[in-house]
Amino acid sequence: SQTIHQWPATLVQPVGSPLSLECTVEGTSNPNLYWYRQAAGRGLQLLFYSIGIDQISSEVPQNLSASRPQDRQFILSSKKLLLSDSGFYLCAWSPAKGYNEQFFGPGTRLTVL
Amino acid sequence: KQEVTQIPAALSVPEGENLVLNCSFTDSAIYNLQWFRQDPGKGLTSLLLIQSSQREQTSGRLNASLDKSSGRSTLYIAASQPGDSATYLCAVDTGNQFYFGTGTSLTVIP
Repeated sequence: SQTIHQWPATLVQPVGSPLSLECTVEGTSNPNLYWYRQAAGRGLQLLFYSIGIDQISSEVPQNLSASRPQDRQFILSSKKLLLSDSGFYLCAWSPAKGYNEQFFGPGTRLTVL
Repeated sequence: KQEVTQIPAALSVPEGENLVLNCSFTDSAIYNLQWFRQDPGKGLTSLLLIQSSQREQTSGRLNASLDKSSGRSTLYIAASQPGDSATYLCAVDTGNQFYFGTGTSLTVIP
């Protein structure tokens, strides 16, 4: 069966510090991968999606970036965090073929102080 | 751009009651519609996926319907239980992107 992992689970960072959040998927190959942010009281905002290594699309201009160094690894990064980057970050995957059902990881709670 | 709306934003019902959650979307050109459950501080758990060619899907006490032409989906929960308390989100798949509603927060009172 497929599983998706995210770490860390929680993170408190000062403004201006760097960020690296990691997401890995097990039990499938060549998944579509997604990064979302969920701010308090708001819906999910798609940040990045990837249909393959070196194929990453950005949905919202921001100080965040994403990379996919391996087929089942997706990393969200920032060089300098802003207060507005605080939120709940969710990674998700969907099969490359067939019906595009999404499966989510447990999330990372990021607080920028 | 696709917009997804969920009404009501919050709902409180006594245990045992049947209930309906609503989801509407503005562009009927969708591939699938998916319902999720989110517990506080947790990720999303997939409940049901309805393909664009289907009209409904059932899983246990849950039944989801889809009327693509009118841009509507409903999630029916039968005989609600306190453990059903959570936020329920719907999402439409338009290709490589998913658009989410802001969710309905459900509280089932024992």
